[in-house]
Amino acid sequence: DAGVIQSPRHEVTEMGQEVTLRCKPISGHDYLFWYRQTMMRGLELLIYFNNNVPIDDSGMPEDRFSAKMPNASFSTLKIQPSEPRDSAVYFCASSPPDRTYEQYFGPGTRLTVT
Amino acid sequence: GENVEQHPSTLSVQEGDSAVIKCTYSDSASNYFPWYKQELGKRPQLIIDIRSNVGEKKDQRIAVTLNKTAKHFSLHITETQPEDSAVYFCAASITGGYNKLIFGAGTRLAVHP
Repeated sequence: DAGVIQSPRHEVTEMGQEVTLRCKPISGHDYLFWYRQTMMRGLELLIYFNNNVPIDDSGMPEDRFSAKMPNASFSTLKIQPSEPRDSAVYFCASSPPDRTYEQYFGPGTRLTVT
Repeated sequence: GENVEQHPSTLSVQEGDSAVIKCTYSDSASNYFPWYKQELGKRPQLIIDIRSNVGEKKDQRIAVTLNKTAKHFSLHITETQPEDSAVYFCAASITGGYNKLIFGAGTRLAVHP
């Protein structure tokens, strides 16, 4: 199994631009989580899905952030417009139906907004 | 709201010594407590976990203990090696219809040869 796949691995963009991060969960996993990691705030849960349905988006910082999961093998996190304070590493994680809490992380996307 | 506190924030040990990291949680209904290791520039990786019906679990040089009454759990690494150097995160499950984890702030462990 290839594990959780994220793209791009690095993204550098200018303030005001739209950014789209992508995630492919492990096949057969039915939970998908989006996290943001910064030195100041640590690992923050932004949103998570179960069977492609958003369950809890209370961690999404503001309306500039949106996430979708159109099918079981693909999810996107979009930031529009991006701001310098959005610079962080964004991780996607997935977990299997019989072990919901066991989360397996992707390699992350390092986002830099200038 | 739910919270997980982790101590210490940094820990420096000599190779071969033991390292202990402690976490406390606030949700008395939490029943799953994983530990993740994150090496520099890498993803967090699950290294060991414990459920509320177990007081202790061991896997080679690492062990976790859980005290549900006091709502705290600990990670113990024995015979530390330089490759154990990383940031370690504890987490606790949040119940009440949610299937998510709340993470501690992390402990940066440095093992010196």
